[in-house]
Amino acid sequence: SQQGEEDPQALSIQEGENATMNCSYKTSINNLQWYRQNSGRGLVHLILIRSNEREKHSGRLRVTLDTSKKSSSLLITASRAADTASYFCATVWNDYKLSFGAGTTVTVRA
Amino acid sequence: KAGVTQTPRYLIKTRGQQVTLSCSPISGHRSVSWYQQTPGQGLQFLFEYFSETQRNKGNFPGRFSGRQFSNSRSEMNVSTLELGDSALYLCASSSNGVGQGGEKLFFGSGTQLSVL
Repeated sequence: SQQGEEDPQALSIQEGENATMNCSYKTSINNLQWYRQNSGRGLVHLILIRSNEREKHSGRLRVTLDTSKKSSSLLITASRAADTASYFCATVWNDYKLSFGAGTTVTVRA
Repeated sequence: KAGVTQTPRYLIKTRGQQVTLSCSPISGHRSVSWYQQTPGQGLQFLFEYFSETQRNKGNFPGRFSGRQFSNSRSEMNVSTLELGDSALYLCASSSNGVGQGGEKLFFGSGTQLSVL
């Protein structure tokens, strides 16, 4: 299966701290995307990084991609309570579908 | 622009029944994908429709089926429900599908199905 694996499964941090989560996948990809899900709701797209890119920023988010190690990381800087959510990486390895990892649950404590 | 709309939000059924879930994509989007989310299996791809044709299918039994109408609205049907079908069913739309072009998906809030 192409499904990625996120690490850690859960993360608890203090407001203002940074949160880092990692994603590993198994086969070559076209691009990798990160999504956020709040408490059983739909997923919200955060950022997309293509296979020929190494780093991308969007606001307080920084994503890196290492295709040689088949891994990606998502960094959330200066975390806020509103960042409490589950974060999923998703890879496009075959046309038309995303394969999602199991997710990292992030809790930001006030 | 209205987002992806899924109805109903919650559904309770009993084993053996069938259920139909509905998804209205963002206006202009031709691709609709369906995902099943459970605590044990995570997010699993069910199928994707593009311009009324099923373009890709995940590894689910034939009890799971879908269709897409000319206005891009999509329905998903599950027949002969089993306890293990209890899940959050998510629908997502995009202009042309994720493919190699790297489009992102827009998700609905999901339908929470409980099978008793």
